[in-house]
Amino acid sequence: QVQLVESGGGVVQPGRSLRLSCAVSGIIFSSYGMHWVRQAPGKGLEWVAVIWNDGSNKYYADSVKGRFTISRDNSKNTLYLQMESLRAEDTAVYYCARGSSQDYYVMDVWGQGTTVTVSS
Amino acid sequence: QSALTQPASVSGSPGQSITISCTGTSNDVGGYNSVSWYQQHPGKAPKLMIYDVSNRPSGVSNRFSGSKSGNTASLTISGLQAEDEADYYCASYTGSSIPYVFGTGTKVTVL
Repeated sequence: QVQLVESGGGVVQPGRSLRLSCAVSGIIFSSYGMHWVRQAPGKGLEWVAVIWNDGSNKYYADSVKGRFTISRDNSKNTLYLQMESLRAEDTAVYYCARGSSQDYYVMDVWGQGTTVTVSS
Repeated sequence: QSALTQPASVSGSPGQSITISCTGTSNDVGGYNSVSWYQQHPGKAPKLMIYDVSNRPSGVSNRFSGSKSGNTASLTISGLQAEDEADYYCASYTGSSIPYVFGTGTKVTVL
């Protein structure tokens, strides 16, 4: 079955960097667009970024544009989120999600999430 | 891109029907038939319940249905059950450089 497993979360100081990974199994990874979505403690879902199946297109939320970079390695079936200049407001659970085969913007499979805490 | 507007909470008794609204603009909900609904239980990852306004993924109960009128989409849960108690989020494609937006979320309580 399809599995998405995030890793790389942790506690980091403001201004520092962190890279999240999402290991994908059970599908032909290179056929699907992929997303990152986050959820701050006690808050709602916030879309963060999307990357096309071949990495040719990437889009970001305004809140992370210029600081976060989404990327993928289709040979390793892995999605990444490089986070720079982290702020307290980036504290959240970060989920990776698969875009469906018919529509990249339908997130039909989700990982369990990895927690990022930005604090001094 | 502002979040879509949902009521903070909706409640109903077992067996009843409830409807959650999701209001956007002509640049998102009103402009595209790409509205999805996600269910999230506490401490769990979201789950896709409805896509493309009114389509149900395989395995989702037919008690869940979606619709849209103008800039407002709606999720209806009929025959409310205890297991339906969760947070629900709508989301829409926007066609802009920020192509996706979630709603503010609605907590559904089964009385």
